[in-house]
Amino acid sequence: DAGVTQSPTHLIKTRGQQVTLRCSPKSGHDTVSWYQQALGQGPQFIFQYYEEEERQRGNFPDRFSGHQFPNYSSELNVNALLLGDSALYLCASSFTRGETSKNIQYFGAGTRLSVL
Amino acid sequence: QKEVEQDPGPLSVPEGAIVSLNCTYSNSAFQYFMWYRQYSRKGPELLMYTYSSGNKEDGRFTAQVDKSSKYISLFIRDSQPSDSATYLCAMGGRGSTLGRLYFGRGTQLTVWP
Repeated sequence: DAGVTQSPTHLIKTRGQQVTLRCSPKSGHDTVSWYQQALGQGPQFIFQYYEEEERQRGNFPDRFSGHQFPNYSSELNVNALLLGDSALYLCASSFTRGETSKNIQYFGAGTRLSVL
Repeated sequence: QKEVEQDPGPLSVPEGAIVSLNCTYSNSAFQYFMWYRQYSRKGPELLMYTYSSGNKEDGRFTAQVDKSSKYISLFIRDSQPSDSATYLCAMGGRGSTLGRLYFGRGTQLTVWP
């Protein structure tokens, strides 16, 4: 049973560029959440997608956007990259079958983004 | 004040020791409490979760939640070198923030042989 998969594993971009990160959720999961983890910090919630719609959003600017596809996979897009966007971007999946299951999230290995 | 506070350590113990990891929080709406383990340059791995107050045990791991004190703990018995990792506490609420997790910054643990 495949877990949460993310691609690519590592990206190097320059300031002002745009980037797209991809995530496939764990089998049977329908909800995808994205987190940003800066070095030495805990993950920070960016947003969550369910039924192809953004359901919740954390304190991130509009430069961060996302999408969920009918097969539940998801993309995270970041425009006009800043040096401060350098971080590990984590995708987490869960399934919507009661309150508890929505909070029990399984993470992928992450995409490490370096902005130069 | 951050919603979840966690001492980053580092914490270094000998093999076989009992390890105690802790987090405090300020949001009384939190009802779900999770512990994740994160190895270097990897994604977080879910270890345990607890709903509301009480204790939960799974093998060498015990999670405790004291909602009256807004304090959660993870105990690791008979610690092993393979337990060396960063341990993250995470919390979630209900209603409008259901599914959004709030993390501590993680405690770095080293278990030496």
